Amino acid sequence: ETGVTQTPRHLVMGMTNKKSLKCEQHLGHNAMYWYKQSAKKPLELMFVYNFKEQTENNSVPSRFSPECPNSSHLFLHLHTLQPEDSALYLCASSQSGGGYGYTFGSGTRLTVV
Amino acid sequence: GQQVMQIPQYQHVQEGEDFTTYCNSSTTLSNIQWYKQRPGGHPVFLIQLVKSGEVKKQKRLTFQFGEAKKNSSLHITATQTTDVGTYFCAARSSQNNDYKLSFGAGTTVTVRA
Repeated sequence: ETGVTQTPRHLVMGMTNKKSLKCEQHLGHNAMYWYKQSAKKPLELMFVYNFKEQTENNSVPSRFSPECPNSSHLFLHLHTLQPEDSALYLCASSQSGGGYGYTFGSGTRLTVV
Repeated sequence: GQQVMQIPQYQHVQEGEDFTTYCNSSTTLSNIQWYKQRPGGHPVFLIQLVKSGEVKKQKRLTFQFGEAKKNSSLHITATQTTDVGTYFCAARSSQNNDYKLSFGAGTTVTVRA
């Protein structure tokens, strides 16, 4: 275990479904992130939360909705997704500021059918 | 936004040989990080470089930050099958207060036994 736990590990959903991805970190970090990793593409930053406040929304479509109730938990709510949204969704955490490495979770492998 | 370019995209190495992967930026970087992602896994933080010309070693891995803080390299000696995976650099620009972490596309390493 990395200290960052993501559930579920795998998810298959239809385009009309609503689902949520969950991330929990036990490292005492105060920044959390959602990344999308598609085949043969760089890691794409989606959202950043610092001390529970969203500080970055990287032009992500509104069908992805993040929620950060506290510094240890992060959710990504999904609705009316498209097949091209199929990817590995990675949660990461770090200390705030520019000088710290990220700890990634194992990811959720999402398939939209 | 600030981008980091990694070369090569793929590296096929004979077991026991050395290789180097490079990370380049057009802007001056405040720091650079390296991550490794095993096949089917998630990125794992390896190291961070901060100072101009800095060199750090982890066993058979040598990380270097360029004098101008615009490039970095990862050199692996005596490659082993355990080195298989994708190596990402990730960097923050020191300009315009842009402290977002941008990931390169990665170098995917395969090893011939």
